[in-house]
Amino acid sequence: AQSVTQLGSHVSVSEGALVLLRCNYSSSVPPYLFWYVQYPNQGLQLLLKYTTGATLVKGINGFEAEFKKSETSFHLTKPSAHMSDAAEYFCAGDGAGSYQLTFGKGTKLSVIP
Amino acid sequence: EADIYQTPRYLVIGTGKKITLECSQTMGHDKMYWYQQDPGMELHLIHYSYGVNSTEKGDLSSESTVSRIRTEHFPLTLESARPSHTSQYLCATYPPSAGGSGAYGYTFGSGTRLTVV
Repeated sequence: AQSVTQLGSHVSVSEGALVLLRCNYSSSVPPYLFWYVQYPNQGLQLLLKYTTGATLVKGINGFEAEFKKSETSFHLTKPSAHMSDAAEYFCAGDGAGSYQLTFGKGTKLSVIP
Repeated sequence: EADIYQTPRYLVIGTGKKITLECSQTMGHDKMYWYQQDPGMELHLIHYSYGVNSTEKGDLSSESTVSRIRTEHFPLTLESARPSHTSQYLCATYPPSAGGSGAYGYTFGSGTRLTVV
């Protein structure tokens, strides 16, 4: 069964510093992978997704993620953190088109001025 | 722009009351889902539907029920609310797959934050 693991339930970075949020998946087949962002009292918004093709995926708000099959990872990065990036981030996977996303437990990103 | 709507956004209600959380979408998507999320916690799938008159329970056992009489509408009902039902409820849709890939991800509504006192 597909599982998604996010390392670190809480990450703090300084404004302007690199953001790195870690996500690993386990699957017997190449999955579809997604990153979502959730602001307080809101639903989840899709940041980016990996399906097939290019392994470096660019999303909204300057975020990108790289699919590394050898490491079963899909880490989310942003070169320079903004205060507005403070939110909860969820990694999710859909193995073999099951139509049910498996979510990680989420990582809360805090940005320190 | 959001094409999936959840009402109400916030609801405070007394124990024992019957409540219905509304979820509507204008995209014509067949697949719809309800997730429960406690503050700062992970998402748990409680119900899903792959089409009209089709509903299934998710991974997390829930006392709530759902119906899918129309494609665009997927309401969730609690017959008798209890404080343990206090949570955020998120509705989502998944578009029809192109060539069977289904690799588009969910579209979420803004959620309903339910407090049972």
